[in-house]
Amino acid sequence: NAGVTQTPKFRVLKTGQSMTLLCAQDMNHEYMYWYRQDPGMGLRLIHYSVGEGTTAKGEVPDGYNVSRLKKQNFLLGLESAAPSQTSVYFCASSYSHLAWGNEQFFGPGTRLTVL
Amino acid sequence: QQPVQSPQAVILREGEDAVINCSSSKALYSVHWYRQKHGEAPVFLMILLKGGEQKGHEKISASFNEKKQQSSLYLTASQLSYSGTYFCGTTYNNAGNMLTFGGGTRLMVKP
Repeated sequence: NAGVTQTPKFRVLKTGQSMTLLCAQDMNHEYMYWYRQDPGMGLRLIHYSVGEGTTAKGEVPDGYNVSRLKKQNFLLGLESAAPSQTSVYFCASSYSHLAWGNEQFFGPGTRLTVL
Repeated sequence: QQPVQSPQAVILREGEDAVINCSSSKALYSVHWYRQKHGEAPVFLMILLKGGEQKGHEKISASFNEKKQQSSLYLTASQLSYSGTYFCGTTYNNAGNMLTFGGGTRLMVKP
């Protein structure tokens, strides 16, 4: 039982390049989330999904796109990377609604640097 | 609008107690507490729901004051392993699918 895994662990991009981050979970969770965490800051929600085929915007969605084609996978895409997107990206999953008392399980993170 | 955590940082000696607060300008439905060690992912500690239900860590306690729109995390008899950054995340209604996280409280426990 691997929990939540993220690929890759580190990535360096040049401004304007594109990339996709992959998140996978083996807990059969319905809900999945993408956060970014800037140095010394809290977590900010980018996008989330409440089930296969659904996605919704979070607090800071601009410049990112997501897809949830399979229940176990949640992809985060950067179409044209900018230095402001340099951050650590965390994926998380939960069994159901957070407000109903469900905890989030986080992946190990992806450290992205945009030059 | 994100919740406000206080203090921003605290240094303790092993065995001392600490209280971390999370305050909101909006009515809260649930408060979620996580701890993050440097370079690692956040780890779940506790959830407090409107109405008094709690779920979480055996050795950590917390309170949720709905009227004050505030939650507090109580760390008693601190251990070295308690060091890290503590985050509260909040939902504002029972349909809440998103957590809004506070800026974090850095806790360092020294021998």
